[in-house]
Amino acid sequence: KQEVTQIPAALSVPEGENLVLNCSFTDSAIYNLQWFRQDPGKGLTSLLLIQSSQREQTSGRLNASLDKSSGRSTLYIAASQPGDSATYLCAAYSGNTPLVFGKGTRLSVIA
Amino acid sequence: GAVVSQHPSWVICKSGTSVKIECRSLDFQATTMFWYRQFPKQSLMLMATSNEGSKATYEQGVEKDKFLINHASLTLSTLTVTSAHPEDSSFYICSAGRRGAVLGDNEQFFGPGTRLTVL
Repeated sequence: KQEVTQIPAALSVPEGENLVLNCSFTDSAIYNLQWFRQDPGKGLTSLLLIQSSQREQTSGRLNASLDKSSGRSTLYIAASQPGDSATYLCAAYSGNTPLVFGKGTRLSVIA
Repeated sequence: GAVVSQHPSWVICKSGTSVKIECRSLDFQATTMFWYRQFPKQSLMLMATSNEGSKATYEQGVEKDKFLINHASLTLSTLTVTSAHPEDSSFYICSAGRRGAVLGDNEQFFGPGTRLTVL
C-alpha cells in the first residue's frame, strides 16, 4: 500500500529565501507524482506533474524533481514571496488507483 | 487546462436534511471521479471513487447509504449527504481524472471544494 510522507509539516521563512519541500513515497511503481497548492478554505491547485519517466518539471519559480528509485520528490521554490504562503501537498499516482496524498507542508513566507 | 467545477461552493443546512453537491468536468470527459473530504488542518481523505455508469467504490469506513454518489455521465458526478448531522460538516472536494497519453497514466483535476455546515 502506497504511503506518502511530507517533511517538514510546517515551515516559516523570510521573504526572498529559496526553499525545498520534501515528499517521499514507499512504492516506487508510480505513473506520476503531482504537487498541489491549497490556500485556506480553498480547493487544490495543481502546480506540477512529473511523469515517472521524467526527472524534473519547472514552472516559473517552481521546480519539482523526482527520484523514483529512492522514492523521493522535492519541490524547490526560488525567491519565496508572501503570496507563496499556503499548504503544499504532494500526491502519488500508481495507476488505476486514487491519488495518495501526503499530509502537506504548511508554508509561511514572512515579509 | 482542464477545469472542474463544484456547486454549491458552500451550503448550510439543518440536521436531518439531505444535501447534494455537483462536480462537473467542464472541458473534458472524466473517466473517473473521486470524492474527498477534508477536516481543518488535515489532508484530503478519499471517500469514494466513481466510474461513469457503474456503482461507486467506497473507502473503508465510509457509509455508502449516507454518502450517495451518482455518476450519470462522463462530465457529472453528484454526492448526496443524506440525513446530515453536524459531524458531517466538512470541506468536500471532488476531482476528475483524465487519461494521459501513456497507457495507464491519469491526471486528476480538482474542483474548488464545497464547504458544508450542518446546524
